[in-house]
Amino acid sequence: AQSVTQLGSHVSVSEGALVLLRCNYSSSVPPYLFWYVQYPNQGLQLLLKYTSAATLVKGINGFEAEFKKSETSFHLTKPSAHMSDAAEYFCAVSDGRDDKIIFGKGTRLHILP
Amino acid sequence: KAGVTQTPRYLIKTRGQQVTLSCSPISGHRSVSWYQQTPGQGLQFLFEYFSETQRNKGNFPGRFSGRQFSNSRSEMNVSTLELGDSALYLCASSLAGEGWAEAFFGQGTRLTVV
Repeated sequence: AQSVTQLGSHVSVSEGALVLLRCNYSSSVPPYLFWYVQYPNQGLQLLLKYTSAATLVKGINGFEAEFKKSETSFHLTKPSAHMSDAAEYFCAVSDGRDDKIIFGKGTRLHILP
Repeated sequence: KAGVTQTPRYLIKTRGQQVTLSCSPISGHRSVSWYQQTPGQGLQFLFEYFSETQRNKGNFPGRFSGRQFSNSRSEMNVSTLELGDSALYLCASSLAGEGWAEAFFGQGTRLTVV
């Protein structure tokens, strides 16, 4: 069975500071991993995905994530936070056999002025 | 091109009633998935359809059902509504249906059961 654990339901960073959102996964098969962002009253938007190509994945809005198999981690980072980054972020995993996606509980990112 | 469209956006129903939610995927997408989002449980997978066939189903009671039509549009139905069914219901569509392709989400239907 697959699962995703996101450490920290709320994370606060100052504008301009490094953003680090943590995600650990469990999967019995090589996983596909995703980060999605959700703004208030909106659906989810894909930030980036790992599909077994490069382990360092670059996404939209300056975000990137690194797949570390030895640590079963897929942490999301951004060098410099903007106020517009305030949203909820979801790490997710799929086994690739179909489109079922297992989501983590989400991390709400707060940006402090 | 048009994104995933979910209708209605908001819905208020009474306990015991039933409800049908609609999802129109992006043109050309054959896979449609449904998710329930609540503050307590987060995002939970309901079911996934590909070319009119349900390929996967989450751990929800039989009151939750769905279907997909030949044009890939999908509906989900919840019968005998309970207060706990209040949630944001999200639909996602993808092109390949093989898990690696990007899933595009609609804005959701906010269901309130009173």
